[in-house]
Amino acid sequence: AQSVTQLGSHVSVSEGALVLLRCNYSSSVPPYLFWYVQYPNQGLQLLLKYTSAATLVKGINGFEAEFKKSETSFHLTKPSAHMSDAAEYFCAVSDQGGSEKLVFGKGMKLTVNP
Amino acid sequence: NAGVTQTPKFRILKIGQSMTLQCAQDMNHNYMYWYRQDPGMGLKLIYYSVGAGITDKGEVPNGYNVSRSTTEDFPLRLELAAPSQTSVYFCASSPSPGRSGYTFGSGTRLTVV
Repeated sequence: AQSVTQLGSHVSVSEGALVLLRCNYSSSVPPYLFWYVQYPNQGLQLLLKYTSAATLVKGINGFEAEFKKSETSFHLTKPSAHMSDAAEYFCAVSDQGGSEKLVFGKGMKLTVNP
Repeated sequence: NAGVTQTPKFRILKIGQSMTLQCAQDMNHNYMYWYRQDPGMGLKLIYYSVGAGITDKGEVPNGYNVSRSTTEDFPLRLELAAPSQTSVYFCASSPSPGRSGYTFGSGTRLTVV
């Protein structure tokens, strides 16, 4: 069975600062990993995904994430935060064996201060 | 390019009333899902379907029912609404959840009073 841990529920950064959102996973088989973003009053949209092709994955809006098997991590980063990045971010995991559903973390709310 | 369409966007129900939340996708995805989202609680899976005619319970199915008579539609039925069902409901679909992830609808905000 897979699980995802997003420690904490809220991160606050200044505009222009580094964004780092942590995600650790647990999986007994090679995982697929995803980051989703949810802007206020909207549905979730896919930010990026790891499906074993490359360990450093680039997504939309300047975000990227690196798969580190030794650390069982898939942290999301962006070098310079923008006000428009304020949203909630969800990490999710599935397995490469044909799982029927994703397992989501509890989410992390990102606030960007001017 | 409609994707996943949910209706209605907002609804207020009285305790004991029933309603159906509609979800339709035009991408020919076999997998469809219903989640509820409560503040600070993340997403909780209510029901899901791996194809027409096949449904299965998620984490929190009590008080809800689903059907999947076509590939396109996956309605969620609330019987005897309770205040605990006040939430935002999201429908999602996928051709292959492991490799592709989900496409989400924009949600239905339901208040039970």
